[in-house]
Amino acid sequence: EVQLVESGGGLAQPGGSLRLSCVGSGFSFSSYWIHWVRQAPGKGLEWVSGISTDGSGTKYADSVKGRFTISRDNAKNTLFLQMNSLRAEETAVYYCARDIGSWWFDPWGQGTLVTVSS
Amino acid sequence: QSALTQPASVSGSPGQSITFSCTGTSTDVGRYNYVSWYQQYPGKAPKVIIYNVSNRPSGVSDRFSGSKSGNTASLTISGLQAEDEADYYCSSYTSDVTVVFGAGTRLTVL
Repeated sequence: EVQLVESGGGLAQPGGSLRLSCVGSGFSFSSYWIHWVRQAPGKGLEWVSGISTDGSGTKYADSVKGRFTISRDNAKNTLFLQMNSLRAEETAVYYCARDIGSWWFDPWGQGTLVTVSS
Repeated sequence: QSALTQPASVSGSPGQSITFSCTGTSTDVGRYNYVSWYQQYPGKAPKVIIYNVSNRPSGVSDRFSGSKSGNTASLTISGLQAEDEADYYCSSYTSDVTVVFGAGTRLTVL
């Protein structure tokens, strides 16, 4: 079964940091772009970042550029999102999702909740 | 990276056909045939139902169909069923090599 499982969510203070992980299984992890998408409570989906198959290419939403860093370890089938200088409005469920090849995502992980609050 | 425009809500009765709109710009929806649609139930992860404007992944009902005209993409659900009640999001590849989503449309089956 093709699966993505996120972890690392939790409570962070405004200005603080958190590192999310996403482990893929059931497919050739190193053959796909992988993305992070977030969803604030009661709100819509927001694309956050994406990374190329070998990690050499990364893209970010303007809202997180310079504060978030996406990376991957293909030997461990793991994707990361290092989030620094967190803001209260970034409280959300963070999903990782596999890019099939033309910028559509399947599957998605179950999500991990990040709460930014003092 | 402005969000694509979707109506906040639509409703329909069982058996009806219903169409969702998704309006972008000439730098995303209007330029590329990389429009996708996702269905999301409360508390669950999104699931793709249409990709590349009009293609259905295997396992998705043929009651779902997609199209595009200019800067606006559309999702149509025919033969509406109670189980279709969910949130629907469109997304598009952009000229910035990023992805933009719509704000989502909540479907209510009356």
